[in-house]
Amino acid sequence: EAGVVQSPRYKIIEKKQPVAFWCNPISGHNTLYWYRQNLGQGPELLIRYENEEAVDDSQLPKDRFSAERLKGVDSTLKIQPAELGDSAVYLCASRRTGTYEQYFGPGTRLTVT
Amino acid sequence: TQLLEQSPQFLSIQEGENLTVYCNSSSVFSSLQWYRQEPGEGPVLLVTVVTGGEVKKLKRLTFQFGDARKDSSLHITAAQPGDTGLYLCAGDSGGYQKVTFGTGTKLQVIP
Repeated sequence: EAGVVQSPRYKIIEKKQPVAFWCNPISGHNTLYWYRQNLGQGPELLIRYENEEAVDDSQLPKDRFSAERLKGVDSTLKIQPAELGDSAVYLCASRRTGTYEQYFGPGTRLTVT
Repeated sequence: TQLLEQSPQFLSIQEGENLTVYCNSSSVFSSLQWYRQEPGEGPVLLVTVVTGGEVKKLKRLTFQFGDARKDSSLHITAAQPGDTGLYLCAGDSGGYQKVTFGTGTKLQVIP
């Protein structure tokens, strides 16, 4: 079974530029999460999808961040415009309905200069 | 906001030593997971504990869920360099809904 796929793995952009991250979850996993992780710290939830519906986006900075999961499978997270403080690793995870365990992708390391 | 505090934050030990990592909260969780994360990778699930007082063993790793389901511990026996990484606990508040991650414990095992 293929794991969670994320791209790109690394991204360096200048502040005020837009950036987008893509995630393809494990097949059959209805729940998809986007997290932000700073170095040496635990992941912080940005948004959670149940199929195509965003059911928890309370931590998403909506003035500059947006996300979509149009067909309930893969998802895109966008930042526009990026700020220096957005430098972090952005992780995607998925979970099968009825289970506890989340499976993570390798993450996208974003550096904003 | 539910908080999960992990201690210690950093741990550097010699190969062969034992160690315990703690994960504490004032909130009750329906389940708790432990993950290990290596540099440049996403967290990898080690175990899920569900029942208060539950103990699970995974080779040299022993996980315990507190009786009140507010805390958990991870004990590693005879640590090896391959155990090096960031250990994260994550609590599920129920209904498979909000998952809160702990602050992390960075472990270094020196050969």
